[in-house]
This record gives sequence, structure tokens and C-alpha cells, in this order.
Amino acid sequence: EIVLTQSPATLSVSPGERATLSCRASQSVSNNLAWYQQKPGQAPRLLIYGASTRATGIPARFSGSGSGTEFSLTISSLQSEDFALYFCQQYNDWWTFGQGTKVEIK
Amino acid sequence: QVQLQESGPGLVKPSQTLSLSCSVSGGSINSGGYYWSWIRQHPGKGLESIAYMYYTGSTHYNPSLQSRISISLDPSKNQFSLKLTSVTAADTAVYYCARAEGVMVPGAIHDWGQGTLVTVSS
Repeated sequence: EIVLTQSPATLSVSPGERATLSCRASQSVSNNLAWYQQKPGQAPRLLIYGASTRATGIPARFSGSGSGTEFSLTISSLQSEDFALYFCQQYNDWWTFGQGTKVEIK
Repeated sequence: QVQLQESGPGLVKPSQTLSLSCSVSGGSINSGGYYWSWIRQHPGKGLESIAYMYYTGSTHYNPSLQSRISISLDPSKNQFSLKLTSVTAADTAVYYCARAEGVMVPGAIHDWGQGTLVTVSS
């Protein structure tokens, strides 16, 4: 099973600042990686797929990069609605998810 | 825009079978290009894939749950279902039905149901 390790577990950021989240795979997943945002009591929402393609309706401040085993999600200027939990997922071999990074207000 | 809605009992007794259905609107489960799936989230934890199925009947199950799960499609009702047998407290979780895009293999999960909490308790 491919293990995804996200870091940090919690990221404290001020509104308007930039946030960078990391996701490392235990073996190469090519670019078959997605990022999701989840708010309390809600289902996850797809942000990025194919490592760098924004899903429909996702603002341009969200960007993804990486390939192989190292990936990142960047939120260029955090808005109040961006404080949430973020998961990465690989779909190169079955589906596995990272344990999540919580982005909280500093 | 496709919408998915889970339904089923919120409380299941230990050793019994958990049965959930997902109603799909705005799209046919009998068309290609999508995988119909179940994912769960234990309270305060991360996400765990359970199973997915293509309209052709091709399925893939989580190896750790494989002996206890089955997934099926019902095109007449535009629904798909999950059965998990011999449940324990460790199966208490929010269960999501979801749709992933893909033909040969599933890709990212573009659409999710709202989730339903299932508690296993006597």
C-alpha cells in the first residue's frame, strides 16, 4: 500500500499570507495525486487533480505542484473560508489518503 | 451537476451487516467514464477507501476489508449499495458515497455525497 505523509500536521497562518502544504508518497505515484479541502461537518471537496490541475470552480489562489513522490499545495493568499483540513490522495495504485493538514488562523 | 445521497440505518448492532445505499441524480450510473465508490472517515480521523465499481461490474475492494464487503449497482433505481458484514465498533464512521472520473482506472473523486454517520453499538 502506498503511504502518503502530509506535513505539517497543523499550519498556523494569518489571513492574506501564503500557505504551503506538503505530501510525500512512499513510492512514485507519477502525477496521480489529488488534493481535497474538508470543513467541519462537510464532505471533502476536490481542489486539485493530476497534481496541478484545478478542479471546476476552484479559485486561482490554489495551486498544486510536484510529481513522483513529492507534492505540494499552495494557497497564495489565505481567505477566511480557506481555514480547513486538507488531504492529499493518490490514485496511482488503489486509493490512499494522507492523514491531513489542518490550516488554522494564526 | 451530479448529486449523491447516502441512506441507511444510523445504528447497527455488533456482528450484524451494515447496508447503505447511494441515490444518484443528474447522471446515470450505467454510463462509462465514472467509478462509483464508498469511502469512510472514522471520527476525527482521515479518509479510508472501501471499494469502487465500474458500470461494467468491475470492482476493487480495500484488501483489509475485502472479506466483509460487497458493492453493487442498481441501474433501475440509479443507485449503488454497500454491504459490510460482521461489523464491530471499529466500523463506526461517516460513510461517503462518491464518484470518480476514469475509464480504465479511477482518477480523482470529483463528487461526494454529504456522508452518513453509522454507529456500531449494542
